[in-house]
Parts: sequence; structure tokens; C-alpha cells
Amino acid sequence: RKEVEQDPGPFNVPEGATVAFNCTYSNSASQSFFWYRQDCRKEPKLLMSVYSSGNEDGRFTAQLNRASQYISLLIRDSKLSDSATYLCVVIPFSGGYNKLIFGAGTRLAVHP
Amino acid sequence: EAQVTQNPRYLITVTGKKLTVTCSQNMNHEYMSWYRQDPGLGLRQIYYSMNVEVTDKGDVPEGYKVSRKEKRNFPLILESPSPNQTSLYFCASSSTLAIYEQYFGPGTRLTVT
Repeated sequence: RKEVEQDPGPFNVPEGATVAFNCTYSNSASQSFFWYRQDCRKEPKLLMSVYSSGNEDGRFTAQLNRASQYISLLIRDSKLSDSATYLCVVIPFSGGYNKLIFGAGTRLAVHP
Repeated sequence: EAQVTQNPRYLITVTGKKLTVTCSQNMNHEYMSWYRQDPGLGLRQIYYSMNVEVTDKGDVPEGYKVSRKEKRNFPLILESPSPNQTSLYFCASSSTLAIYEQYFGPGTRLTVT
């Protein structure tokens, strides 16, 4: 089983829609969680952190459910510019916080 | 401008011909890392370095070598490339206090025939 699993999509949604992605992780000792965004043929970039209490940044909300071992990303009022692949990232504690585990990504396509 | 640079951006080579992909960052970051990205598998870490002369294996180190002689540079060496190393490679750097915020280079698309 992969350490971090995501639905690859694509999620095809119209502008203005609300869309949510989930990501599950297998290591219950994982400590830190993040979402990265990767545009087509570009490098990944940090989008936001995920906290147990939730984290909101404008139209984006990230949440963590430790009991069920998943994190989620909610995008409200989708824009064309939100079209990208969203990567779930987990930092496990294995002798130190020194590596990132990336999910394979969920592709979002927002259409007019 | 703060950035991570990689060279070359595209490379087509033949099996067994040694190659080096360079990576350089100008942010004075201690932590540097190499990843490969393959469809359906996502980004997998090859090697990382916490500081000069300190390197460690990631999840898929076989067939790769790295060195960290200077803080700003972290080259990736393929001594004898094979077709299964055809992939998109990313170099990344960060502060050791915030490794969650990796700054990625633009990527190197490598094809081994």
C-alpha cells in the first residue's frame, strides 16, 4: 500500500463550483501535512499547510482527520486558474523530520 | 531573484553513458534534495542533503549518486543510465527549519534509449 494515496482524477468542474479532494496516509505517526500545487509541465509549489484545527486561505480550506488518517482540500468558487494538479504531502517522523512523502496528485480541470 | 536552477532542462542519452544533472540554489538553503516524477507514482525522493558533506538516501537511490561539496550545488550523477531512469527530475531546496516549504527547480526531462 502506498504511504500517501490520492484519487488521480481528473475532476472536471465548471467555474464557480466547489470541489473537494481527499488524500489518505498510511503511517499513523505522520506529523505534518501540506498541499502543493503543480501546474502542467511546471515545478510543484507549496499551497498551504494542514492543521488539525483546519486552515483557510481565501477560497481554499484544508483539513486533517487524524482518526481516519486523511486530509482534504476544499476549493470554493473555482476559477479557470485553479486548473492544476494538487499534491498531498506528508512528513513522517522517522528519526527526524527530514523527508517529504508526496502523493501522486489529483488533477483539477476548471472549464468555463 | 531567489531560485533553484537545473541544467540541462532536456536530455536524451543512450544506455550506459555517464551523465550529470546540475542543481544550484541562491537562497543559502542547507537542505537540498532530488526527486523523480513518473506518471501514477508521483514525486519520489532519490537523495537528500541536510548540509555540506552530509547526504542520505531517499526512497529510490539505486543507480544514482550525489555529492554536496558546496552549499549551493547538489549535482545528480547517473554513472550508467538505463531506460528505467527515463523520468522527470526535480531538484529542490529549503531551510532545515522549514523543509515542508521546498523550492523546486524547473525540472530536467531525461530520456534514456
